Amino acid sequence: KAGVTQTPRYLIKTRGQQVTLSCSPISGHRSVSWYQQTPGQGLQFLFEYFSETQRNKGNFPGRFSGRQFSNSRSEMNVSTLELGDSALYLCASRGLAGVQETQYFGPGTRLLVL
Amino acid sequence: GESVGLHLPTLSVQEGDNSIINCAYSNSASDYFIWYKQESGKGPQFIIDIRSNMDKRQGQRVTVLLNKTVKHLSLQIAATQPGDSAVYFCAEKDDTGGFKTIFGAGTRLFVKA
Repeated sequence: KAGVTQTPRYLIKTRGQQVTLSCSPISGHRSVSWYQQTPGQGLQFLFEYFSETQRNKGNFPGRFSGRQFSNSRSEMNVSTLELGDSALYLCASRGLAGVQETQYFGPGTRLLVL
Repeated sequence: GESVGLHLPTLSVQEGDNSIINCAYSNSASDYFIWYKQESGKGPQFIIDIRSNMDKRQGQRVTVLLNKTVKHLSLQIAATQPGDSAVYFCAEKDDTGGFKTIFGAGTRLFVKA
């Protein structure tokens, strides 16, 4: 099976702009989660979508939003970008591995806000 | 609170030696734990997992130990190879209304040839 794919891989934006990132989960996986990774804060959970519904949400402002389509592909949107939004944004889809379901991560989208 | 830290510990080992990476988790109610490996420029890669009703689980060259009494998790890598050089994260699953993984700060492993 193909792994989790994310597009674009790299992105440069300026403050105040908005950005949309895309994630395609592993075929058959219905759950997609998004994480932000920065050197200062590490890996932090943004939200999880399952069957087009947001099931769980982390502690991020409302500028961060997402959605999931019927084919399980997901998009994440960040509006009114701030310098601190520069990070690696990781998408993960959930499937069986080891002793139970776990998350498989994509390569990430590296966002730089200038 | 979430077990996310700012400091990234580093472990340096000689090729062929065994490595032990340690992790403390925060939520005594967590029932599932995962170890991930992240190489530069890549997303975290699943290594091994363990449920809270187990105290040890073995994979290929890796063993995870869980001590629930002190909320401690460790990853042992046997015969460490240069390809094992990466940042290793322990993670606990928070199942409050969904599937959310809380990551530790990570440990950077350097393998000297």
